[in-house]
Amino acid sequence: GAGVSQSPSNKVTEKGKDVELRCDPISGHTALYWYRQRLGQGLEFLIYFQGNSAPDKSGLPSDRFSAERTGESVSTLTIQRTQQEDSAVYLCASSTTGTSNYGYTFGSGTRLTVV
Amino acid sequence: DAKTTQPTSMDCAEGRAANLPCNHSTISGNEYVYWYRQIHSQGPQYIIHGLKNNETNEMASLIITEDRKSSTLILPHATLRDTAVYYCIVRVGSGGSNYKLTFGKGTLLTVNP
Repeated sequence: GAGVSQSPSNKVTEKGKDVELRCDPISGHTALYWYRQRLGQGLEFLIYFQGNSAPDKSGLPSDRFSAERTGESVSTLTIQRTQQEDSAVYLCASSTTGTSNYGYTFGSGTRLTVV
Repeated sequence: DAKTTQPTSMDCAEGRAANLPCNHSTISGNEYVYWYRQIHSQGPQYIIHGLKNNETNEMASLIITEDRKSSTLILPHATLRDTAVYYCIVRVGSGGSNYKLTFGKGTLLTVNP
């Protein structure tokens, strides 16, 4: 597609439930990133995928968070046993390579609200 | 990545130039200066980047001081749609191993009619 697509755009879930967020990167982009943005805050790096290399999971805040990506296609971010502090906008970005000089393209994000 | 310092907020009149400063006094020789902006309820958008020469594209101009310790993003004719949070980021460019963009809190630019 023309841009990075994320779904759903909004998600309200009850505390303790699992949620799955989806990201469709730009076709041909080998690098994919997940960031989290809490209300009024900057972006926090969560995880990075580059081709078939092992992902960099150093930003995942707890073992309740996991992410998968098959090849250079769709990625899913899963949050298990959601907590209220997980409420945030989850942003996905892709780029042509992990060290591209020409910037990342971000999706519009998934707004997660845990009640 | 080198830390950047930006004002928390700025105002600009519609049609005037908006000049957004950024300090990055600890920047390394192989680190680029990147600018992104985030309009309310949207993901960040790439604007421009540079190493040491001034750069211009259809969106903005980037002026980097000779010592590279600071830079200014210029929106030559600001419109109401330019109201956004502007992030200045320094990062090793292509060929480096640091692929993460580290976002600070940025500058909230408000363009007033």
